[in-house]
Amino acid sequence: GEDVEQSLFLSVREGDSSVINCTYTDSSSTYLYWYKQEPGAGLQLLTYIFSNMDMKQDQRLTVLLNKKDKHLSLRIADTQTGDSAIYFCAEASDNYGQNFVFGPGTRLSVLP
Amino acid sequence: EAGVVQSPRYKIIEKKQPVAFWCNPISGHNTLYWYRQNLGQGPELLIRYENEEAVDDSQLPKDRFSAERLKGVDSTLKIQPAELGDSAVYLCASSPRTSNEQFFGPGTRLTVL
Repeated sequence: GEDVEQSLFLSVREGDSSVINCTYTDSSSTYLYWYKQEPGAGLQLLTYIFSNMDMKQDQRLTVLLNKKDKHLSLRIADTQTGDSAIYFCAEASDNYGQNFVFGPGTRLSVLP
Repeated sequence: EAGVVQSPRYKIIEKKQPVAFWCNPISGHNTLYWYRQNLGQGPELLIRYENEEAVDDSQLPKDRFSAERLKGVDSTLKIQPAELGDSAVYLCASSPRTSNEQFFGPGTRLTVL
C-alpha cells in the first residue's frame, strides 16, 4: 500500500528557516498536503500542492515537489516560536482526493 | 462558522468496557471521516462517510468497532469491548463536496486501563 515517510524531529533557532522533508511511494498521488498539529488540537491544513506543480508559495511557506523522486518539502521562512508543532505530510491518490495517507509527523522545535 | 465538534475530549475506561465517541461536522459538509492517531504517529483512516453511506470502512476492525451516521449529519463511533491497544486519539474530520480539504476536530483521547 501507500507509504509516507518523514524525519521525526527538527530543531531550529528562531528567525532561521525550517525545512521539513517527506517522501511518498504512490506515483499516482494527485494531491500532497501539509498539516500542522499543535498540542491537544486537531490537524490544521497549512497548504497543499497538485501533482502537476513543482512549487507553491504562500507567505512564509514554500512547498517544493519533486515528482520524479517522490519528494515533498515544506520550508518555513523566519521561523517563530509559534511554529513549534508537529507537521504532517499527507498524500491523496483517488479521483476525489479524499483518501488521505498521513506520514508519522515531524516535531518542529523552535529555540529562542 | 463553527468547526468540527467532538465529545468527549477525554475518556478513561477499563478494558472490556464499551465506549462511544460523538462528532458533529461542519454544517453542509457531506463527507465525514473517523481517524485513529496512535502516539507519535499520523492519523489512520477508520471509516469515511458520504452523507449517511459508509463508502470506505476497510480499515475499521469490525469485530469490536462500529460507526453510524444515520441522518447524514453527526456520527458516533463505538468500541465494544475496548482493549488496551485501543488507547489513542480518535479524530473526526469533515469536508465539503466541492473541496478536498479536510477540517479536523480536536479529537477524543481514549485511555484504556
